[in-house]
Amino acid sequence: QVQLQQWGAGLLKPSETLSLTCAVHGGSFTAYYWTWIRQSPGKGLEWIGEINHSGGTNYNPSLKSRATMSLDTSKAQFSLKLTSVTAADTAVYYCARAGGFLGPWGQGTLVIVSS
Amino acid sequence: EIVLTQSPGTLSLSPGERATLSCRTSQTISSRFLAWYQQKPGQAPRVLIYGASNRAPGIPDRFSGSGSGTDFTLTVSRLEPEDFAVYYCQQYGSSPKTFGQGTKLEIK
Repeated sequence: QVQLQQWGAGLLKPSETLSLTCAVHGGSFTAYYWTWIRQSPGKGLEWIGEINHSGGTNYNPSLKSRATMSLDTSKAQFSLKLTSVTAADTAVYYCARAGGFLGPWGQGTLVIVSS
Repeated sequence: EIVLTQSPGTLSLSPGERATLSCRTSQTISSRFLAWYQQKPGQAPRVLIYGASNRAPGIPDRFSGSGSGTDFTLTVSRLEPEDFAVYYCQQYGSSPKTFGQGTKLEIK
């Protein structure tokens, strides 16, 4: 049973950098892409991007190069950094395994951007 | 970017009834790359259907998916109380991998 556990700072000020990490427990880390998705309050789902075991990345252009993903294969962890956050970046952020479709998912982290 | 449009926005039905949810894509996609997710309040989404018509492990057979090209459908044959939730479709064949805006299935 693969489980994803995520963590990171939940309250940021405008212009700061969001930083989240997701640990993968069980299963293969190298056979999949690893993804970040966010969901603004009361809104739908937005795909942020993905990273593979070699460090190859693919981002949503809507984030205008503010997002950077990385991974630590030895720890089976992957991370997201999002620079220059604004109130529009307030959302629940999820990590997920991507074997085509998404699943399983992490538990979600609410990130609030407020001065 | 492929835009996914779901309809209706809200569907009000009673337990035991049949639910039909629609997802239309802005351009033709391979049915191999269309998934449906269910999300309940306070929870992460979970996949129900992948490849347009394949049930994910552990998903009851009252959930079925169909469609091709630009029109896809999720059907719940007989609604159970636990099925009332928000449903999203997603295409994962083309980057960025986009979601529909969701259909809320509520108890009538």
